[in-house]
Order: sequence, then C-alpha cells, then structure tokens
Amino acid sequence: AQRVTQPEKLLSVFKGAPVELKCNYSYSGSPELFWYVQYSRQRLQLLLRHISRESIKGFTADLNKGETSFHLKKPFAQEEDSAMYYCALSLIIQGAQKLVFGQGTRLTINP
Amino acid sequence: DTEVTQTPKHLVMGMTNKKSLKCEQHMGHRAMYWYKQKAKKPPELMFVYSYEKLSINESVPSRFSPECPNSSLLNLHLHALQPEDSALYLCASSRATVGDEQYFGPGTRLTVT
Repeated sequence: AQRVTQPEKLLSVFKGAPVELKCNYSYSGSPELFWYVQYSRQRLQLLLRHISRESIKGFTADLNKGETSFHLKKPFAQEEDSAMYYCALSLIIQGAQKLVFGQGTRLTINP
Repeated sequence: DTEVTQTPKHLVMGMTNKKSLKCEQHMGHRAMYWYKQKAKKPPELMFVYSYEKLSINESVPSRFSPECPNSSLLNLHLHALQPEDSALYLCASSRATVGDEQYFGPGTRLTVT
C-alpha cells in the first residue's frame, strides 16, 4: 500500500543548529514527493517538491530511492522555521492527483 | 487573485440541518479538491474534480455531496451529518490535474451538534 511515514511527531532544536525532518515512503512506482508547511495561523503551503530540486528558505530535500526516503534538511535553523511540516506522496488515480500525507512533524526552534 | 477562498470560516450545524461550504479560485486552475482534517491529523482527501468532472471520490458517505458548477467554484453540500464529522474542511486547487502543486484555502471549521 502507498504510505508516507514521518517518524517524529515533535522535533525541537536550537536556533543555528542543523535540522533534519525524516520522511519515508512506500510506493512501487516512481514517486513524486512534496513537502508542505503550515506556519501558525496560516494556510498549508508548498515548501518544495523533489522534481524541482530547489532550495526554499534554506531547506533542501533529496529523494533516495534505495532508502525510500525524502528527508528535509536545513543547515542552520531559524526561529521562523517553527511550523508543522507534512511530507506528501502524489498518486495518479483515474487521471487525477491524490496526495497522501504523512502524519506531520511539529518543528520548534528554540532561541 | 492568487488565493483559494473558503466560506464560511466557521459553521455550527445540527444533525438535521442542510448547509453548504463554498470554495473559489480565480487562478484558472483545472483541478479542485476537498480535504477533511481532524485535530492533530493530516489532511485526508475526500473528492477531486478535474475539468469540472468528479474524478475521485474516496468512498465518502453520501451525506457529503460535492458540486462543481464552474471551473472557479467548488461546493460541498452537507446533510444529516454526525458529530464525528466535525473537522476542518480544506479546499485546494492546482493548475494541472496531475503532478502539480496544490494551493490550499484557509478552511472551514465545522462543528456538528
């Protein structure tokens, strides 16, 4: 079954420290993966997607097909990074897109 | 206009009421989505419309009835809901029907009494 696992519900790091939010997926085909973020009192929004290979707000994520992972990383955390982060797998069903979300990781950056 | 809007922000309804949630986007997006999000849980897909046609129904109970009157508007009609249907209902849209970023609305907080 297609599934996304984010093993950490909560993650707390100090400002300036490196951050890694883990995401593992289960999918037999070629995966299309996204990271979405929800800042306090804001709507859910895209952070990055693996096919664009961009760095957004200092975050990067590399798809590792061997380990079926798509971990999100940032070398130096900032207080404004505190938010809820969701990893999502895109499935194509009957010509339409279904996003399967992981359970989410709440990241807190301590000053 | 680069946002997805949802009305109302909050809705309280009794189990015998009929109400509707509304979602609008004016970005020319061709796919629109309804999600349900319970507290401390991720969004769960309910319905997908592609080019105004229902493409995915995730086995949602018939007390939820989606409607897409035109390419900019998506409704969710509610009837005879149960208290466990209380949740945040999110609407989203995407430019393409597959493989594209989804833009989310702020949600409607629904409470069923």
